[in-house]
Amino acid sequence: DTAVSQTPKYLVTQMGNDKSIKCEQNLGHDTMYWYKQDSKKFLKIMFSYNNKELIINETVPNRFSPKSPDKAHLNLHINSLELGDSAVYFCASSPTWGGGNEQFFGPGTRLTVL
Amino acid sequence: QQPVQSPQAVILREGEDAVINCSSSKALYSVHWYRQKHGEAPVFLMILLKGGEQKGHDKISASFNEKKQQSSLYLTASQLSYSGTYFCGNVNFGNEKLTFGTGTRLTIIP
Repeated sequence: DTAVSQTPKYLVTQMGNDKSIKCEQNLGHDTMYWYKQDSKKFLKIMFSYNNKELIINETVPNRFSPKSPDKAHLNLHINSLELGDSAVYFCASSPTWGGGNEQFFGPGTRLTVL
Repeated sequence: QQPVQSPQAVILREGEDAVINCSSSKALYSVHWYRQKHGEAPVFLMILLKGGEQKGHDKISASFNEKKQQSSLYLTASQLSYSGTYFCGNVNFGNEKLTFGTGTRLTIIP
């Protein structure tokens, strides 16, 4: 059973296009996250949702819009893609909100913008 | 603010020990440790909380010096499967966001 799944695994697209990445967790967790890992392997949080409510919104261009239709899903839509958006995007979840909880990561989506 | 890890990279032979350090400039609520193998997702190893509580795998050990805002991860009798990049992550008081460190690449050779 996959705990945190993401689709697609790879995404290759042209600059200016709009794309979405989907994430689902079957762990019954309340909290979900989006992270971006760049070419230097820095892992940086982008967004966090707790019980479908946006809790963390880092300094991310407003071309990025997360949506959580329910606790088990957190999707990421990106408008007007730019070269600098190329990275691996990880979804993660944790049982509840708070700094004392481990996070479970999905397999990642490698986005390449040409 | 991003925690700083040291060393940036280390190469060990199987059976040797390693210590990875993580330093923060702000007061910490908790320190997390994750391992990421090439092309895979980060995997949770351990959480150390202010006050001494720890959650994690039995075979992993770590320390948390609250006064110095530092944590160290101890890898003993290393195995080939320990290879990967190790990330610490900090959660500061008043901010529940997990901020990952710069990473330490560990290579174990036979």
